[in-house]
Amino acid sequence: GAVVSQHPSWVICKSGTSVKIECRSLDFQATTMFWYRQFPKQSLMLMATSNEGSKATYEQGVEKDKFLINHASLTLSTLTVTSAHPEDSSFYICSARVGDYGYTFGSGTRLTVV
Amino acid sequence: GQNIDQPTEMTATEGAIVQINCTYQTSGFNGLFWYQQHAGEAPTFLSYNVLDGLEEKGRFSSFLSRSKGYSYLLLKELQMKDSASYLCAVMDSNYQLIWGAGTKLIIKP
Repeated sequence: GAVVSQHPSWVICKSGTSVKIECRSLDFQATTMFWYRQFPKQSLMLMATSNEGSKATYEQGVEKDKFLINHASLTLSTLTVTSAHPEDSSFYICSARVGDYGYTFGSGTRLTVV
Repeated sequence: GQNIDQPTEMTATEGAIVQINCTYQTSGFNGLFWYQQHAGEAPTFLSYNVLDGLEEKGRFSSFLSRSKGYSYLLLKELQMKDSASYLCAVMDSNYQLIWGAGTKLIIKP
């Protein structure tokens, strides 16, 4: 089946630093990648949608200069949290569309900013 | 606006049956998904309904009524490992997923 590998699984960083999260599609080509953020006891919140070779589309309220998304190839999409602050601490998950109606998720990244 | 409603938390007994309801109001409809999510993990796919009726898959079944904007997930022969959050998501007319807040299911011995 379609698998998305997400790294790192968890990361602790100091306030003001940047963190990069990678999602790789292992056995299929991910034309579209969705990036979600999930705070404790809350649902998935879509941050942005990235398409290979073009600029990402950000949801309202998500700062595109703070959350940099790169989807340079059909198998790799990255999210960089720049100048991270404690309020950015969250669970970040990527998801790729598989076929017309299927979705597969990465394993998620727990980010803690101290 | 778009809205997905499901109960925040439910409790059930091991070996019993539980039904988790989901109601939705969205801009268009291209199917409804149910996902299971254990704490600290990514969601895993359970079911996809696009036509009215009941889809059975082992211990899990999912029902959809498009006219009522309603779905339920039925879990039978509950096991302790079924303790998790269950997320309802609807694909809207733009093929985007709209997520419910999830139902935390607690299974007691």
